[in-house]
Amino acid sequence: AQTVTQSQPEMSVQEAETVTLSCTYDTSESDYYLFWYKQPPSRQMILVIRQEAYKQQNATENRFSVNFQKAAKSFSLKISDSQLGDAAMYFCAYRSGDIAGKSTFGDGTTLTVKP
Amino acid sequence: KAGVTQTPRYLIKTRGQQVTLSCSPISGHRSVSWYQQTPGQGLQFLFEYFSETQRNKGNFPGRFSGRQFSNSRSEMNVSTLELGDSALYLCASTFSGGPYNEQFFGPGTRLTVL
Repeated sequence: AQTVTQSQPEMSVQEAETVTLSCTYDTSESDYYLFWYKQPPSRQMILVIRQEAYKQQNATENRFSVNFQKAAKSFSLKISDSQLGDAAMYFCAYRSGDIAGKSTFGDGTTLTVKP
Repeated sequence: KAGVTQTPRYLIKTRGQQVTLSCSPISGHRSVSWYQQTPGQGLQFLFEYFSETQRNKGNFPGRFSGRQFSNSRSEMNVSTLELGDSALYLCASTFSGGPYNEQFFGPGTRLTVL
């Protein structure tokens, strides 16, 4: 079974600075996808960024980028120019290429942004 | 497009009762997944439905069941409620459930079992 580990329960960052959230995963599959989700206090989970395992190039979405190290099974999220609205719980998620509709989530990292 | 909606948003039940939660996916989405979120266990996959068929199931007891209707709306049912069933129940919809498809989450139903 696949597992996802987020080793940082809490992180904080100063507004306008950069922060990196860590995620490691364990799988024997070669076809999979990785995601970062954001869950603000209002509880609606939204997708931040996704990465296909077969792509070597790291995904980027505006201020959000990932560092995908396939051999190390590491998938960290970098948030640049942090904003107050980035404060939320962030979940790393794994989806198998063979199993429809199922995501395996890490325990989450609560990010605090200080003004 | 309207987002994923879940009803009710909050629910209080007592042990032994049963409960039904509803999820309406984004229009055109045919796959609905359900997750249980608790502080202790995190987010855990319950099951996924596509075109009224359950395609995948997580490791939950048989008290947890679901179904999907022809309009893709889905319900999940928990029978003989236990205190440990208190959780936020999230549903997520995708167009086809494929692994690359973005899962759009609803706001959740907060279930409290007394």
